[in-house]
Amino acid sequence: SYVLTQPPSVSVAPGQTARITCGGNNIGSKNVHWYQQKPGQAPVLVVYDDSDRPSGIPERFSGSNSGNTATLTISWVEAGDEADYYCQVWDSSSDYVFGTGTKVTVL
Amino acid sequence: QVQLQESGPGLVKPSQTLSLTCTVSGGSISSDNYYWSWIRQPAGKGLEWIGRIYTSGSTNYNPSLKSRVTISVDTSKNQFSLKLSSVTAADTAVYYCARVYYYMDVWGKGTTVTVSS
Repeated sequence: SYVLTQPPSVSVAPGQTARITCGGNNIGSKNVHWYQQKPGQAPVLVVYDDSDRPSGIPERFSGSNSGNTATLTISWVEAGDEADYYCQVWDSSSDYVFGTGTKVTVL
Repeated sequence: QVQLQESGPGLVKPSQTLSLTCTVSGGSISSDNYYWSWIRQPAGKGLEWIGRIYTSGSTNYNPSLKSRVTISVDTSKNQFSLKLSSVTAADTAVYYCARVYYYMDVWGKGTTVTVSS
C-alpha cells in the first residue's frame, strides 16, 4: 500500500513561513491535496491538485509537488493557522491515502 | 451550498454492527460526478478512509476493513449509509462523511462512536 509520511510537528513564529512536507514514493506523479483540521472540527480542504485553492482559502496557503516530496507552504502565518494538517492522494492500488499528519504550532 | 450531516448511535456494543447515515442537503446526491465517502479518526490519531459509493451503487472499500464494511445509498432520501460489523474497541472513533472527487471537498461535522459494553 502507498504510504505518505509527514513530520509530526512544525513550529513557526507569527508572520513567518511554515513549510509542511509530505513524502511518498514518486509522489510528484500524483495529485496531492491538503487539509487543515482544528481541534474538535472536521477537516477543511485548503489545497487540491498540488497547488489549487478552493474558494475562500487565503492566498497565503500554497502547494508544490515534485519528486518524492510535496509541500504545503503557509506564508505570513497567523495564530488562527494553528492546526493539524494532512496530505492526501488517490492511488490506484490503495484508493484514498492520508498522510500521518503535522501539528503546526504558532509560537 | 451542499452540507452533510452524520447520524446514528453514539454507543455500540462489541461484536455488534455500527450503523451510521449521512444526509445530504443543499443539493442532490445524484448530481455531478461525485462519490460519497466515509472517513474515521480515532481520538488523537490520523484520518483513515473507510470506503466510497457512487449513486449507481458502485463501491470501493479500504482493504483493511473490506470484510466488515458495507456502504449503501438511498437517492430518494438523499442519504448514504455505513455499516461496520463485528466492532471492537479499535473501531471507536469520530466518523465523518464527505463528498469526494479525488479529494474530499465537503465534510460533515462528524459523529463520535464508542464501542463499549
